[in-house]
Order: sequence, then C-alpha cells, then structure tokens
Amino acid sequence: GAVVSQHPSRVICKSGTSVKIECRSLDFQATTMFWYRQFPKQSLMLMATSNEGSKATYEQGVEKDKFLINHASLTLSTLTVTSAHPEDSSFYICSALGQGAHGYTFGSGTRLTVV
Amino acid sequence: AQSVSQHNHHVILSEAASLELGCNYSYGGTVNLFWYVQYPGQHLQLLLKYFSGDPLVKGIKGFEAEFIKSKFSFNLRKPSVQWSDTAEYFCAASNNAGNMLTFGGGTRLMVKP
Repeated sequence: GAVVSQHPSRVICKSGTSVKIECRSLDFQATTMFWYRQFPKQSLMLMATSNEGSKATYEQGVEKDKFLINHASLTLSTLTVTSAHPEDSSFYICSALGQGAHGYTFGSGTRLTVV
Repeated sequence: AQSVSQHNHHVILSEAASLELGCNYSYGGTVNLFWYVQYPGQHLQLLLKYFSGDPLVKGIKGFEAEFIKSKFSFNLRKPSVQWSDTAEYFCAASNNAGNMLTFGGGTRLMVKP
C-alpha cells in the first residue's frame, strides 16, 4: 500500500536553530501534501497545504517565514522550522494525496522539542 | 508498540443506512482518542474526541463514538448516513501528554444516493 516516510521521528534542538522535517511518498506521487501540528490535549491543526511545484498555502495565524514548506518534487515535501523556540515544540505530521494512493496517507509524525 | 487499527478499508452504504466504523488501539497508559474525517480534496476535520469522562462521545454532523476500555475500541457510529458523508475517516490516538499521534489506516466510506 501507499507509504509516506517521515523523518526524523523525534528531534531535540536548541533554541534559535532550524530543523527540517521530511516527508517522502515511497510508492506514489504526492501531488498534494498537508502539514499538521498537534498541541498537547488538542486535535490536529492544519498548518499549510502544498501542491507540487507551487507555493504552499498557509492557514491563518501560521507564519510562513517561520515554517518553510518546500514541495519541489512529487515524492518529497519538507517543513523547516526556522529559528525554533520552545513554543514550537509540538508534534508535526504530514499527509499526502496523490495518484495511485489509497486516499490520504499519513507520515508517522515528528516530535520536536526545542530546549 | 503503539498502534491504531481500522479493519474496514472500504465501506459502501445506501443513504439512511446505519454506520459503524471499527477502531482498535494498542496503547500503554492513558489514551486520548480522536476521529477525523477528510472529504475529497480537503484537509482533515475533527469529528469528535475522547479524553476522559463519559465514554459515549457525541461529535459534529450526528456522529458519535463509544470508548470501551475493556475492548480497546473506539468505534464511530451514525444512525443514518447521507450522501454527503462520503469521505475518508481516520481514527487516531495519543498518550495523555499528546507527545505522539498515531493514526489508523483510514476507512473510505461511500454512500450511494
């Protein structure tokens, strides 16, 4: 079946540094990628939607200069948290939609801790 | 290992039929449970969630789910589906700290008019 590989699964970084999270579709072409964030005790929050080859569409309240999304190919999308701060600590997960995929496929998620 | 299983990959129903989608989880400690829906071309939307309290949870659009701890289940139900309920449904679980979220494989529901 369709698989989305998300790396890293856990990352700890220092405040002020940048962290890149990758999502790769392994056996299908992901034309659309959704990036979500979950705060403790809350449900997922959509951060942005990206289509291959075009700029991501960010949800209201999400800083596009802080959360850089790149979807340069049909099999890879990246989320870079720039100048991370402790309040960026969260669980980030991607979801891909593409031709040949069984509906939407989720990555395994990334737990980011900023110290 | 933490896991969430949705055994029905595809479900086809006629309008007005009753719906029950299965969700079983394997989680250590206190678990938080969610059901999400994703309509074609759209992002995930939360249907309902369970953190604690009454194990019968009512969500939006007439959906409900029951947390049965002894069965490690959190099945989603709706008494009478509509064509507009055609979508993909995801069950998800996290631990009490919300550190990691694990999704089931999803169930694609098609409701025939």
